[in-house]
Amino acid sequence: DIQMTQSPYSLSASVGDRVTITCRTSQTISRSFNWYRQKPGKAPELLIYAVSTLQSGVPSRFSGSGSGTDFTLTISNLQPEDFATYYCQQSHRTPLTFGGGTRVEL
Amino acid sequence: EVLLVESGGGLIQPGRSLRLSCTVSGFAFADSAVSWIRQAPGKGLEWLGFIRSKAYDATAEYAPSVKGRFTISRDDSKNIAYLQMSSLKSEDTAVYYCARDHGWQFDSWGQGTLVTVSS
Repeated sequence: DIQMTQSPYSLSASVGDRVTITCRTSQTISRSFNWYRQKPGKAPELLIYAVSTLQSGVPSRFSGSGSGTDFTLTISNLQPEDFATYYCQQSHRTPLTFGGGTRVEL
Repeated sequence: EVLLVESGGGLIQPGRSLRLSCTVSGFAFADSAVSWIRQAPGKGLEWLGFIRSKAYDATAEYAPSVKGRFTISRDDSKNIAYLQMSSLKSEDTAVYYCARDHGWQFDSWGQGTLVTVSS
């Protein structure tokens, strides 16, 4: 299985901040890499797919980058609705796997 | 509007079986793959498996942790995907989500249904 190591586990931030979350995979996965946001009590929602492509309707303050085994989600100008938990996910091979999550809190 | 609605969750005793349903609307279900994903209380996301469309023989794949106990099926005439769970354990307690699977990325999710396995 492809292991996903996400960091940090949690971080504190303020509205307007720039935040970076990283995810490392246990093997190279080309561009088969995605990011999700999960607001409290809600289902996750796809933010970014294929490393850096913004899902339709997702604000441009979200961006993704990376290659090989190291990937990054950056949120610029953090908004109140961005205080949530973020998950990375590999779509390279089954079993599909997620990172452990990063909680962004005030 | 794309909509996925899970149902069938509830309190179930260990060792019993339960079937969850995922009723879909707003997109061509018959042409789509569907994944099931769960989230134990306070924990992260765990992919359980997915089912391909009929064009790919509606075959399914499973995570090793549930293979042999869980079965995914679909009824394209009703726009429903199912997750049949057997020999349930307390560790299966979780919110269960279905999601539209677009190339193994999940672009639409249901609201989830809670399954509690307890005596």
